[in-house]
Amino acid sequence: AQSVTQLDSQVPVFEEAPVELRCNYSSSVSVYLFWYVQYPNQGLQLLLKYLSGSTLVKGINGFEAEFNKSQTSFHLRKPSVHISDTAEYFCAVSRSNFNKFYFGSGTKLNVKP
Amino acid sequence: EAGVTQSPTHLIKTRGQQATLRCSPISGHTSVYWYQQALGLGLQFLLWYDEGEERNRGNFPPRFSGRQFPNYSSELNVNALELEDSALYLCASSPGLMGAFFGQGTRLTVV
Repeated sequence: AQSVTQLDSQVPVFEEAPVELRCNYSSSVSVYLFWYVQYPNQGLQLLLKYLSGSTLVKGINGFEAEFNKSQTSFHLRKPSVHISDTAEYFCAVSRSNFNKFYFGSGTKLNVKP
Repeated sequence: EAGVTQSPTHLIKTRGQQATLRCSPISGHTSVYWYQQALGLGLQFLLWYDEGEERNRGNFPPRFSGRQFPNYSSELNVNALELEDSALYLCASSPGLMGAFFGQGTRLTVV
């Protein structure tokens, strides 16, 4: 069975600073990896996904993530955050048949001025 | 193109009542997922429908049920509501490799 661990429940950071949100997964089979963002009082929005190919994936709003198979990680990064990036971020894993997405518990990113 | 739409946006029910939540997927998507987002518990998988059939369900009691209609829209029914059912219920549709696209959710409050 898959499981997804987001190691940090909250990450405070100052505006224009870099940020990394960590995600580790456990799976014995090949998986697809996703990051979603949830702004206050909204649904989830897809940020980026890794299906195959290059391990460095670029998404919307300047975010990128790197798939590391040996460390079973898919950490999300942004070199310079904005106040508008304040949101909750979810890492998710899915197998090829997409019967369900396994979500991490979420990381609240709080960008301070 | 319209996204995933959910109705109602807010729902208040009393304990013991039934709640019905609705979801319309993105046009062309045949899979619909339901998730519960309770305070402090993250996203919990509820149900997956595809092509009108229930394909998988999460670890929830049978009073959580649903169905998918021929036009791929879906209903989630929660019977005998309990206070702890208060949560944001999110619906997502997926065409497969693109990932899941979520609606804005229905906030269910049980009093």
